Amino acid sequence: GAVVSQHPSRVICKSGTSVKIECRSLDFQATTMFWYRQFPKQSLMLMATSNEGSKATYEQGVEKDKFLINHASLTLSTLTVTSAHPEDSSFYICSAETGTGRSYEQYFGPGTRLTVT
Amino acid sequence: AQSVTQLDSHVSVSEGTPVLLRCNYSSSYSPSLFWYVQHPNKGLQLLLKYTSAATLVKGINGFEAEFKKSETSFHLTKPSAHMSDAAEYFCVFNAGGTSYGKLTFGQGTILTVHP
Repeated sequence: GAVVSQHPSRVICKSGTSVKIECRSLDFQATTMFWYRQFPKQSLMLMATSNEGSKATYEQGVEKDKFLINHASLTLSTLTVTSAHPEDSSFYICSAETGTGRSYEQYFGPGTRLTVT
Repeated sequence: AQSVTQLDSHVSVSEGTPVLLRCNYSSSYSPSLFWYVQHPNKGLQLLLKYTSAATLVKGINGFEAEFKKSETSFHLTKPSAHMSDAAEYFCVFNAGGTSYGKLTFGQGTILTVHP
């Protein structure tokens, strides 16, 4: 099946610094990628939809200036958490969509655990 | 509102006994429904999906789910649990229409399998 990778898998940063997380589709092209966050013992919440070559679409309540998304190619989307604070500590998961019509499917990356100290 | 609800946060079964994980949805459109599994420290894996074809959907690892429009349900079942099935399961919903491509996750059900 299709594989999606994320890098890094874990990152610890100091409060006030920025962190970049990469999401790559390894064996397919994805015009659309999605970013989710998952708090401990909670479900995944969609943060934003990333479309190649255009601006990301953010869900209500997600600060676009804090969570910068760049989808520069059909295989790479990046999420940059700017001026990170402890409350941004979470598990960030990306997915890449492939297919057409009702046969689309999202493949998920393994996630990135961010800890802000 | 369009949503998906998993009725049990935890389910515990003995190895070899049936598994039932319950999911109900609410949608104005004809939805697509999925079940994903998340093992500790691993990525989400698709078990099965319903996209308006056959209402009984068979997935990997012996799991299956039945789409019941009259009950707005999409429960996940397996005849005989295995220790390796212990994980967290998410019922996932795409409302279609203007929400095409955007997935909404249920709250998750943690499945524990006892020897």
